[in-house]
Amino acid sequence: EAGVAQSPRYKIIEKRQSVAFWCNPISGHATLYWYQQILGQGPKLLIQFQNNGVVDDSQLPKDRFSAERLKGVDSTLKIQPAKLEDSAVYLCASSLWEQGRDEQFFGPGTRLTVL
Amino acid sequence: AQSVSQHNHHVILSEAASLELGCNYSYGGTVNLFWYVQYPGQHLQLLLKYFSGDPLVKGIKGFEAEFIKSKFSFNLRKPSVQWSDTAEYFCAVKAGGGNKLTFGTGTQLKVEL
Repeated sequence: EAGVAQSPRYKIIEKRQSVAFWCNPISGHATLYWYQQILGQGPKLLIQFQNNGVVDDSQLPKDRFSAERLKGVDSTLKIQPAKLEDSAVYLCASSLWEQGRDEQFFGPGTRLTVL
Repeated sequence: AQSVSQHNHHVILSEAASLELGCNYSYGGTVNLFWYVQYPGQHLQLLLKYFSGDPLVKGIKGFEAEFIKSKFSFNLRKPSVQWSDTAEYFCAVKAGGGNKLTFGTGTQLKVEL
């Protein structure tokens, strides 16, 4: 079974530039998550999709971050414009929709460096 | 909102030593508890999970964890570590039957030969 795919794996940009990350979840997984993991911290949930609808985006900085999941499969996360503090690893995860009992499978992440 | 505390940020052990990593959470209701591991250069993967039933949970690679509800704890243990256990370990909690995972800050484990 193929895992969660993410691209690119690494990205270096200057502040105020824009960047986009792509995620392809495990086939059949209805729920998709984007996390931000800053160095020395645990992953923090940014947004959760159930199919193509948003379930939780309470921790997404909506003035600069946006995410979409067209057709309920692939998802993109965009930052526009980037700030220095956005330097982090952005993780995508997916799971089957089993209320409270499912396991999240994580992708390899995209390491973003903002200069 | 729930939170998770991992008390040990860096742990160094010799091979064959016993391991216990602490994890405490703050939430008064029903919780699901997880330990994830991230080996160097690899992505996060599930080590073990607790949903209900026996509070002693066994996971992969000889790891186990015990849920002590009265102490709001879910400590990870392994009787004898190996060099290949060198990794970062994250405790995580889901509260109230929802799907939102809250992670601790992680513990870097280094096992020396």
